[in-house]
Amino acid sequence: GAVVSQHPSRVICKSGTSVKIECRSLDFQATTMFWYRQFPKQSLMLMATSNEGSKATYEQGVEKDKFLINHASLTLSTLTVTSAHPEDSSFYICSARDPGTSGRSSKETQYFGPGTRLLVL
Amino acid sequence: AQKVTQAQTEISVVEKEDVTLDCVYETRDTTYYLFWYKQPPSGELVFLIRRNSFDEQNEISGRYSWNFQKSTSSFNFTITASQVVDSAVYFCALSELTQGGSEKLVFGKGMKLTVNP
Repeated sequence: GAVVSQHPSRVICKSGTSVKIECRSLDFQATTMFWYRQFPKQSLMLMATSNEGSKATYEQGVEKDKFLINHASLTLSTLTVTSAHPEDSSFYICSARDPGTSGRSSKETQYFGPGTRLLVL
Repeated sequence: AQKVTQAQTEISVVEKEDVTLDCVYETRDTTYYLFWYKQPPSGELVFLIRRNSFDEQNEISGRYSWNFQKSTSSFNFTITASQVVDSAVYFCALSELTQGGSEKLVFGKGMKLTVNP
């Protein structure tokens, strides 16, 4: 399957600082990437859809000024948690949609990165 | 709204037992995709299968098999002869079309499987 990487895998920061998380598709080009958040023992909640070359689409209740998303190339999307607070501590996971080789324009599989554990002190 | 229900939250079995993970979904779409992902303790989600709504054939991949029944809106996952390495949280997911025209996944709450030696 397609490979998606995330960096860093783990980050601890002080309250009020900003943290940038990178998501890369390593062996395919992803016009669309997704950012999820997962609290302990809970499911994944979609935060935003990141489209290459355009603004991200945020889910209801997600502050776009706090969670800045940039999708500057077909293989890289970044999520910046600005002015992080302890309640932002979570597991952040990105995914990238592999368009595959079939030529289908929709419903492709999302492949997930290994996740980033953020702890804000 | 789309919804995915995994009624079982946690299952514990002994190695070599068979185990079935249930998934029931709700959607008004006529075309949709269903997925299963595995999340081991390391946290990374591993893609297991994708099934489109027009293909109700059951699928088998090694010890894994999936039973898709549109009549009951279910997409159940069976692990045969379970192994300790199967211990993980398993998520069922349904694709949903967003207002912007792209698709997103709606996940079930996940089911934690523990396989004991």
